[in-house]
Amino acid sequence: GAGVSQSPSNKVTEKGKDVELRCDPISGHTALYWYRQSLGQGLEFLIYFQGNSAPDKSGLPSDRFSAERTGGSVSTLTIQRTQQEDSAVYLCASSLVPDYSYEQYFGPGTRLTVT
Amino acid sequence: RKEVEQDPGPFNVPEGATVAFNCTYSNSASQSFFWYRQDCRKEPKLLMSVYSSGNEDGRFTAQLNRASQYISLLIRDSKLSDSATYLCVVNPGGNNRLAFGKGNQVVVIP
Repeated sequence: GAGVSQSPSNKVTEKGKDVELRCDPISGHTALYWYRQSLGQGLEFLIYFQGNSAPDKSGLPSDRFSAERTGGSVSTLTIQRTQQEDSAVYLCASSLVPDYSYEQYFGPGTRLTVT
Repeated sequence: RKEVEQDPGPFNVPEGATVAFNCTYSNSASQSFFWYRQDCRKEPKLLMSVYSSGNEDGRFTAQLNRASQYISLLIRDSKLSDSATYLCVVNPGGNNRLAFGKGNQVVVIP
């Protein structure tokens, strides 16, 4: 079946602009995660959606970052007033149930470059 | 102290040889442990879960040492296709998120 998809695959934006990154999880997966991976760094947790519960936003680095998940499926990560340090690969993952013991399936990522 | 620490390497391994590496985790309450594989410029994919009793999947063996708070991965009879970064992943406990290490980069040399 179809895996996790993300769009766009690459995004170049000017400092100060807003960007929206989209994630389509695997159908039926109730948990959705956003991470970012900077060059040479590990994955940094950003936000976690678990079914209809309130999302865990504890990893968002600043109030310029926000995310929503509509209808329990597609998610959008928005970065306002982008800064150069926001340049990274943004990865989305989904899992069948919101339980840490379950495998997370990752999308191919969106490579964001802020100039 | 970081939640998960790994020696990034690279680990240069002759084809056919055995390579092993560890990762340490800081929270003794950590519940679940995994190894993910990430190829260059690709997304991470689950390689194997790590159980308390240790587990083996073909040429790959994972071990958990709760007393010393580390997990290990051993790759036997290395293949060129094993070249990748191996990410140590831990659930720190208390919530449903995972903490990822920076990864151990393995380069298998012909």
